[in-house]
Formats: sequence, C-alpha cells, structure tokens
Amino acid sequence: EIVMTQSPGTLSLSPGERATLSCRASQSVSSTYLAWYQQKPGQAPRLLIYGASSRATGIPDRFSGSGSGTDFTLTISRLEPEDFAVYYCHQYGSSPRTFGQGTKVEIK
Amino acid sequence: EVQLVESGGDLVQPGRSLRLSCAASGFIFDDYTMHWVRQAPGKGLEWVSGVSWNSGSIAYADSVKGRFTISRDNAKNCLYLQMNSLRAEDTALYYCAKSIFSGLAAFDFWGQGTMVAVSS
Repeated sequence: EIVMTQSPGTLSLSPGERATLSCRASQSVSSTYLAWYQQKPGQAPRLLIYGASSRATGIPDRFSGSGSGTDFTLTISRLEPEDFAVYYCHQYGSSPRTFGQGTKVEIK
Repeated sequence: EVQLVESGGDLVQPGRSLRLSCAASGFIFDDYTMHWVRQAPGKGLEWVSGVSWNSGSIAYADSVKGRFTISRDNAKNCLYLQMNSLRAEDTALYYCAKSIFSGLAAFDFWGQGTMVAVSS
C-alpha cells in the first residue's frame, strides 16, 4: 500500500497570501495518478486537480498542482475567503487507492 | 446535472449487515468506474472499494476485504455496497463517487453521503 503523507497538518494564513501544501508518497506515484481534493465542513470533497497538474472543470486558476515521483505540491496563489478548508491528496494509480491525512488551511 | 444520492445508512449492532445504495443520474452510468469512500467522524478520507463499468474489475481496501461486496446494476443506474460482519471501526459517512472516466481516474463527483454507525 502506498502511504500518502501531507504536510503541514495545519496552515494558518491570511486572505491574499500564498498557500503551499505538500504531499509525499511512500513509493513512486506516476504523476498521471495524483489528485487533490478540497473539503469544507459538512460537504463532500470536491476535485481540484487530477493528473498532478490538470485543473478539474470549474476550478479557478489560482489553484495549481505540480510534482512527480514521490513529492507533489498544491499551490493556491492568493487565498480567497472560500479557500479555507481541508485539502487531501490522493493516489489512484495502484490498489488500494490511498489518501493523505489532510492539510487544514485556516484563517490566521 | 450529475447527481449521486446515497441511502441505506443506519445504526446497527456489531456483527450485523447493511446494504448501501447509490442512485446515479445525469450521466451515462455504465461508462464509468464507481467507488465507495468513507470518512469516520472527524477523520480523513478512506477509499473502500471500486467497480469498473462492467463489473469486470473490482477492488477492496484490506480493512473491508472479505466482509464488504460492491456491485452495480447498470440497468437501474445504481451502485451498491453490501456490508457484512460490521465492526465499530466501520462507523463512518459513506460516499459514493464517480470516476472522471473508466479505469484509473480521480473522482470528479461525490454524493452527500450516508451515515453508518456500528454500536451495541
């Protein structure tokens, strides 16, 4: 099983700041098979990024994904009030598919 | 508009069974791989199981293998999860999720979930 480890656990930032979230895999993950999701309290997760760097339909361009091998990054260029949420990385290239434990982006 | 509506969640005693359903609409159901993902209260996401468009490929998390069975009825646009020998650690909100395409793909639409609580 590929273990996905996200850091930091919590990121305290102000609106307008840049957020950089990391995700590290215990084994190499083809970048084709790495996704990022956003989840707000009481809501289902929402797909942001798939294939490590492709934005899902309707996702603003302030969200970007990068990385390869075992290290991946989600960047939010300028935080909007609606971006404060929990973010999960997800590898879906091998079974079992696995998620990171999440990074909470909170208002400073 | 894509809609996924889960149902069947309940409070059950350990060792009992439960069957979850997910009614899909707004897309061609039998074109896509479908999944179940769960989230224990206050915890992160855990993939549970997935089934390919024609049920030819099925996979499970180790934590549920041998106890849970995923299935789909393409004629009814429905996904199911038969859950047997339930344990306290199966307590979670269970989401139905659609893959972007058939095969290895991220999950682009999720239902709102159905709650399963296992307790004596």
